[in-house]
Amino acid sequence: AQKITQTQPGMFVQEKEAVTLDCTYDTSDPSYGLFWYKQPSSGEMIFLIYQGSYDQQNATEGRYSLNFQKARKSANLVISASQLGDSAMYFCAMREVAYSGAGSYQLTFGKGTKLSVIP
Amino acid sequence: DGGITQSPKYLFRKEGQNVTLSCEQNLNHDAMYWYRQDPGQGLRLIYYSQIVNDFQKGDIAEGYSVSREKKESFPLTVTSAQKNPTAFYLCASRKTGAPNTGELFFGEGSRLTVL
Repeated sequence: AQKITQTQPGMFVQEKEAVTLDCTYDTSDPSYGLFWYKQPSSGEMIFLIYQGSYDQQNATEGRYSLNFQKARKSANLVISASQLGDSAMYFCAMREVAYSGAGSYQLTFGKGTKLSVIP
Repeated sequence: DGGITQSPKYLFRKEGQNVTLSCEQNLNHDAMYWYRQDPGQGLRLIYYSQIVNDFQKGDIAEGYSVSREKKESFPLTVTSAQKNPTAFYLCASRKTGAPNTGELFFGEGSRLTVL
């Protein structure tokens, strides 16, 4: 079974609107972390936001927020007030302590969602 | 500015040739990683190193080799044994010590094409 599932290969959003990118995960590790990265056409992976499994509140970073629903194993990324520069691939990733070992911090990535912002 | 530098950005190789991708970081990070990305796929871990002179295989290490002789450098060699080497390769590093979420910092990648 896939550890990270992103069911939306592509999404379109109107400029200035909000958009939600879906991510579900599968783990039996009680301690884990969830990440979202943005990959523009240049190729570099840009860190956006992090949510720890024990964090009580949903993470927010500027226009990015993470809708963390632990019981549903869901960690959706919400981008508010979309901008043309938000057009990119977006990847959800997970770090499991038990699986990867406390020191290795390996990340497992989903297949990504391509977001296109329409003027 | 601190960051990760990967070179070359684009590389063409004939079948049967080994090729080495460079990764240098000036972030003073102990841990470094190599990921492979194929079209429509997420990133898959090739090798990682948590400290100088030590490295471990990731999920798809076959046909690849690495070295970690210096903290700043983590080169990846794609050998002729790698059956399908055409891909986008990303190098990353991670800050150690607390507090630490495990966030990875990435380079801009190297695109390898086998002719």
